[in-house]
Amino acid sequence: AQSVTQPDIHITVSEGASLELRCNYSYGATPYLFWYVQSPGQGLQLLLKYFSGDTLVQGIKGFEAEFKRSQSSFNLRKPSVHWSDAAEYFCAVGPDNYGQNFVFGPGTRLSVLP
Amino acid sequence: GAGVSQTPSNKVTEKGKYVELRCDPISGHTALYWYRQSLGQGPEFLIYFQGTGAADDSGLPNDRFFAVRPEGSVSTLKIQRTERGDSAVYLCASSLWWRTYSNQPQHFGDGTRLSIL
Repeated sequence: AQSVTQPDIHITVSEGASLELRCNYSYGATPYLFWYVQSPGQGLQLLLKYFSGDTLVQGIKGFEAEFKRSQSSFNLRKPSVHWSDAAEYFCAVGPDNYGQNFVFGPGTRLSVLP
Repeated sequence: GAGVSQTPSNKVTEKGKYVELRCDPISGHTALYWYRQSLGQGPEFLIYFQGTGAADDSGLPNDRFFAVRPEGSVSTLKIQRTERGDSAVYLCASSLWWRTYSNQPQHFGDGTRLSIL
């Protein structure tokens, strides 16, 4: 069964600093990988997704993520963080062609200092 | 509206009661998912509908939980004999048919916060 780990429970960065959120997955085949963001009291918004092809994926709000098969990782990055980026970030691995069981990581809470 | 709508936004009830949570997906989305999110955790998959049928209900924790989607649009998650451990945010998401999934993300509602006293 697939699984997702996010080693950092909480990260604090200063506004304007760069950001990297870590995600490691366990999956038997080529995974479908996602990053979502959740603001307090709201649902999840998709930032970006990886299915195949170019391992560097661009998303919304200036985020990007790089798929590294050798490390089973899909880390999220942003070169310059804005105060509005403070939220909870979830990495997820999607289903194979036969099941529909999406698995989410436990999340990383991002705080941004002014 | 244009997004996934979930009602109620908050539900407080006593242990042992029955509750129904409603999800109104984006028009035209045939795939519908229910998730449960406990405090400090990521969403946990409960059930997936393709049209009217539950294609995968492997995430339902026990037989107190049941979901329906009779007309292939609105879905209702039903919880019988609620327990305090059922307290969580219940999220609904919808997308176009999974077979075209590579171009179709899940769109999430804002969730229903369920509190069992």
